[in-house]
Amino acid sequence: DTEVTQTPKHLVMGMTNKKSLKCEQHMGHRAMYWYKQKAKKPPELMFVYSYEKLSINESVPSRFSPECPNSSLLNLHLHALQPEDSALYLCASSQDWASRGWAEAFFGQGTRLTVV
Amino acid sequence: QKEVEQNSGPLSVPEGAIASLNCTYSDRGSQSFFWYRQYSGKSPELIMFIYSNGDKEDGRFTAQLNKASQYVSLLIRDSQPSDSATYLCAVWDNDMRFGAGTRLTVKP
Repeated sequence: DTEVTQTPKHLVMGMTNKKSLKCEQHMGHRAMYWYKQKAKKPPELMFVYSYEKLSINESVPSRFSPECPNSSLLNLHLHALQPEDSALYLCASSQDWASRGWAEAFFGQGTRLTVV
Repeated sequence: QKEVEQNSGPLSVPEGAIASLNCTYSDRGSQSFFWYRQYSGKSPELIMFIYSNGDKEDGRFTAQLNKASQYVSLLIRDSQPSDSATYLCAVWDNDMRFGAGTRLTVKP
């Protein structure tokens, strides 16, 4: 199984809502990532979890809250988002948090988030 | 600030031609280099990675790395319309950084 599964595929939420994005992999990868991608822009790193511990938080606003319940799951909890947060949210996993681990990294299909 | 620069394009080549995609990076300490293909509305897909100076070939794709010039390129031989996509250069230096991508169109 060489897949990273993200749910939901699409999400529309109001600015007062609370929602969660989910990501799952069963490849035994020990590093998992959240990226945000706006249209015609490159993916921007948000968070890195390595061995279930938060290793990087790229100055992301607190309305985004990551969680790694176990080595296979990664969540992104959303609260009080703004319309400018509308984007494609990508989850990725790699063997480990090192350059060579990315030779076998995979991205999920993403969650298209619209904040209204 | 670590920079990964790509020409945004669009780059248009006829079917069967060689497409050449270029990328420069700012941090001399960067260790590993990756090329991703991203179709519109889809997630990035790894095409190639290269760690050492020189060329690395995989089928119709060749990655070239020159660390002295801080330059990495991707050549696509015998380009096909299905190669039409945005190609993202990514550089690893303690984390993965992506360039803005070059949009390639292969015309039949």
